[in-house]
Amino acid sequence: EPEVTQTPSHQVTQMGQEVILRCVPISNHLYFYWYRQILGQKVEFLVSFYNNEISEKSEIFDDQFSVERPDGSNFTLKIRSTKLEDSAMYFCASSERGRGADTQYFGPGTRLTVL
Amino acid sequence: AQSVTQPDIHITVSEGASLELRCNYSYGATPYLFWYVQSPGQGLQLLLKYFSGDTLVQGIKGFEAEFKRSQSSFNLRKPSVHWSDAAEYFCAVGFTGGGNKLTFGTGTQLKVEL
Repeated sequence: EPEVTQTPSHQVTQMGQEVILRCVPISNHLYFYWYRQILGQKVEFLVSFYNNEISEKSEIFDDQFSVERPDGSNFTLKIRSTKLEDSAMYFCASSERGRGADTQYFGPGTRLTVL
Repeated sequence: AQSVTQPDIHITVSEGASLELRCNYSYGATPYLFWYVQSPGQGLQLLLKYFSGDTLVQGIKGFEAEFKRSQSSFNLRKPSVHWSDAAEYFCAVGFTGGGNKLTFGTGTQLKVEL
C-alpha cells in the first residue's frame, strides 16, 4: 500500500539554525500539507500546497517557514532560523485532490528538537 | 472558526469491553468528519470519515462512528476492544470551500487492560 514517508525521523538542532524536513508524498497525489504537534497539544495545520504554490497557510506559517517541491517526488519544509518553540512533531500529508472530503494520508512524522 | 473538542484525554478499558470516544465539533455548516489513530512511532492512520449520506459510518479495524447533527457530535465506537487498539485517537473536521485543512481535537489516549 502506498504511504507517505518522512526523513529524518528525529532532528536535533541549535536555536538559530536552519532545518529542512523532507517528505515523499504518495505518487499520484496532487495536494500536500504540513502539520505540527507540539508535545501535549493539538495537531495544527501549517500549510497546504498545490501546483507549486501555497494554497492556504495558517498564522503559524510566518516568514521563517517555506515549502518547496524541488523535484517530482519530494516535498520539503524549511525553517530558516529555528526557535525553541519550533520544537514539535512535524507531519507531512498528501491527498489525491483538494476537496474537504478527501482523505489526507499522513507520514510518520519528524520530531524536531531545538536546543 | 471551526473547532473540535475531545473531552476525554485518557480512557482505560478492559479487553473485550465496548468503547466510545467522544468528539464534538463547532462549525456553521455540515462538516466533513474524520477519525485518525496514531500508534507509537507511527503516522496518523485514517479509521473512517463522514462526508454525506448515512450518518452511521463503518471503518477499519471494526470501528464505527455516528454523525449526530443535533448534538454536533461524531463519536467513535467499537463493540469489543482488543489490546492492539491501545493508541491515541484524533477526531478532525474539514469543511467545504476555502481550502482543505483539517482541524484536529486534542486526542484521546486509549489504554487497554488485559
